[in-house]
Amino acid sequence: TQLLEQSPQFLSIQEGENLTVYCNSSSVFSSLQWYRQEPGEGPVLLVTVVTGGEVKKLKRLTFQFGDARKDSSLHITAAQPGDTGLYLCAGGGSGGSNYKLTFGKGTLLTVNP
Amino acid sequence: DSGVTQTPKHLITATGQRVTLRCSPRSGDLSVYWYQQSLDQGLQFLIQYYNGEERAKGNILERFSAQQFPDLHSELNLSSLELGDSALYFCASSVVGGLAAYNEQFFGPGTRLTVL
Repeated sequence: TQLLEQSPQFLSIQEGENLTVYCNSSSVFSSLQWYRQEPGEGPVLLVTVVTGGEVKKLKRLTFQFGDARKDSSLHITAAQPGDTGLYLCAGGGSGGSNYKLTFGKGTLLTVNP
Repeated sequence: DSGVTQTPKHLITATGQRVTLRCSPRSGDLSVYWYQQSLDQGLQFLIQYYNGEERAKGNILERFSAQQFPDLHSELNLSSLELGDSALYFCASSVVGGLAAYNEQFFGPGTRLTVL
């Protein structure tokens, strides 16, 4: 069974601060996706990384896939209240089972003005 | 807007009852996934259909069933409802299989089920 652990579980920071959240596993994934979910809404896909060591930037958000494709991080620079939400990572299965995504339990981020 | 639609938005019912949740995938997506999200369990995968056929099963109870119709919309049927079935139920869709090297799923807005 593939498991993804996210840390921290909760994070409360002030506007303008930087932060990093982590997504770790002992399993290898064919891809790693990050989603953001706001209360009462469905998760929204932010990015997909597929190559070990890959780094992708989305404005103030930087995503990195670990070299061994077992872990990933999300770094937010100068956080804003609009970044508040639940951040979920999801790993794609390997060995031809790429249809299956395994989700972590998420990091609940609160950015205070 | 992800392009995935779900109805109803909210559903309140009593224990022992049966309900049906409906999902329409994004145009062109052949796969539909159902998830249950509760505060303590996070996002739990229930079941996947691909072009009308069941592809994968997750933590789906025997009281729950799903199907995907020829027009690719899907329904999740929940029966003999219990208090613990109260949760958010999400549908997601994707292009999957030989056309995609990886599986990006696009989620609908969810159905909030409350069992009283």
